Amino acid sequence: GAVVSQHPSRVICKSGTSVKIECRSLDFQATTMFWYRQFPKQSLMLMATSNEGSKATYEQGVEKDKFLINHASLTLSTLTVTSAHPEDSSFYICSAREQGGYGYTFGSGTRLTVV
Amino acid sequence: DQQVKQNSPSLSVQEGRISILNCDYTNSMFDYFLWYKKYPAEGPTFLISISSIKDKNEDGRFTVFLNKSAKHLSLHIVPSQPGDSAVYFCAASAHSGYALNFGKGTSLLVTP
Repeated sequence: GAVVSQHPSRVICKSGTSVKIECRSLDFQATTMFWYRQFPKQSLMLMATSNEGSKATYEQGVEKDKFLINHASLTLSTLTVTSAHPEDSSFYICSAREQGGYGYTFGSGTRLTVV
Repeated sequence: DQQVKQNSPSLSVQEGRISILNCDYTNSMFDYFLWYKKYPAEGPTFLISISSIKDKNEDGRFTVFLNKSAKHLSLHIVPSQPGDSAVYFCAASAHSGYALNFGKGTSLLVTP
């Protein structure tokens, strides 16, 4: 089946630094990638939707200058958390939709801790 | 504004019995519904889905029921197994391929 590889699985960074999270679709072309964030005991909240080759669409309340999303190819999308602060500590998950498909395949998630 | 609601944060069921997880939604534009299973620090794993043209979909031990008039869906797991213990998320989208809206999840514990 479809697989999305997400790296790193966990990262600890210092406040003020930037962190890049990668999601790769391994055996299919992902025309659309969704980025979610999950706080403890909360649901997965959509942060942004990106389509290959175009700018991401951010949900209300999500700072596009802080959470940079790049979807330059059909198999790779990245989320960069810039100038990270402790309140950005969360579980970030990507989800890819296959070109012409109906399913959503999730990555394994990235636990970000900002100290 | 939570458009998908799972009002039971937890559920405990004995092994072999039926587990019923419930989900309500408020957006009448939702026409595609999915259930995911999730372990801590892992991404969700797809279980089963249903489109609004159906009222039931079955896959092995898992059956999803959709009641459009009540804006309610449920996931039945029978028989429940200890390996089913996890958090179950209900999700919905307005159109297939659009972003999913998730509920807060229900933590299922299946005891031997």
